Amino acid sequence: TQLLEQSPQFLSIQEGENLTVYCNSSSVFSSLQWYRQEPGEGPVLLVTVVTGGEVKKLKRLTFQFGDARKDSSLHITAAQPGDTGLYLCAGDSPTQGGSEKLVFGKGTKLTVNP
Amino acid sequence: SQTIHQWPATLVQPVGSPLSLECTVEGTSNPNLYWYRQAAGRGLQLLFYSVGIGQISSEVPQNLSASRPQDRQFILSSKKLLLSDSGFYLCAWIGRREAFFGQGTRLTVV
Repeated sequence: TQLLEQSPQFLSIQEGENLTVYCNSSSVFSSLQWYRQEPGEGPVLLVTVVTGGEVKKLKRLTFQFGDARKDSSLHITAAQPGDTGLYLCAGDSPTQGGSEKLVFGKGTKLTVNP
Repeated sequence: SQTIHQWPATLVQPVGSPLSLECTVEGTSNPNLYWYRQAAGRGLQLLFYSVGIGQISSEVPQNLSASRPQDRQFILSSKKLLLSDSGFYLCAWIGRREAFFGQGTRLTVV
């Protein structure tokens, strides 16, 4: 079973600070995705990284896929209270039937204090 | 665009009672559909997935079952709920390298 380990589990910072959260695995994934979830709602896709070493930017968020496609990081610059939420990484995992399923990490709960 | 409807939003059920959660998808055909459970705002545990009508794969042996009676309908059921079945249940359509989730059902078994 492919596992994704996310760290840290909890992060509480002040508005304006920078932060990085990590998603690591011993398995190779064809792609990794990052989602953000607010309480009582379903996760919403932020980005998908596919190529080893790939870097994608989404405003103040920078996502990187490791060269070996086993890990990824999310860096937030100048965090704002609106960034508060649960950040989940997910990797493609092929099934026996040929379809794919997503394996999720346990998430990083981020709180940005004003 | 794809839309996932999931209901009810919240549910409080006594131990031993049955359960039926429904999920329907719009905007796509022959979708791969998934049921996840999330405990206490943490990671998502895959429960069932379905690649077509009548095709169900179970990831974790448990008190729950799933059915796919129609192409765009996915149902999560239980004959007798346990306290440990409490949690946040999410239905998802997973396409190529992206997942779309319903709003979730908060189930509390009392």
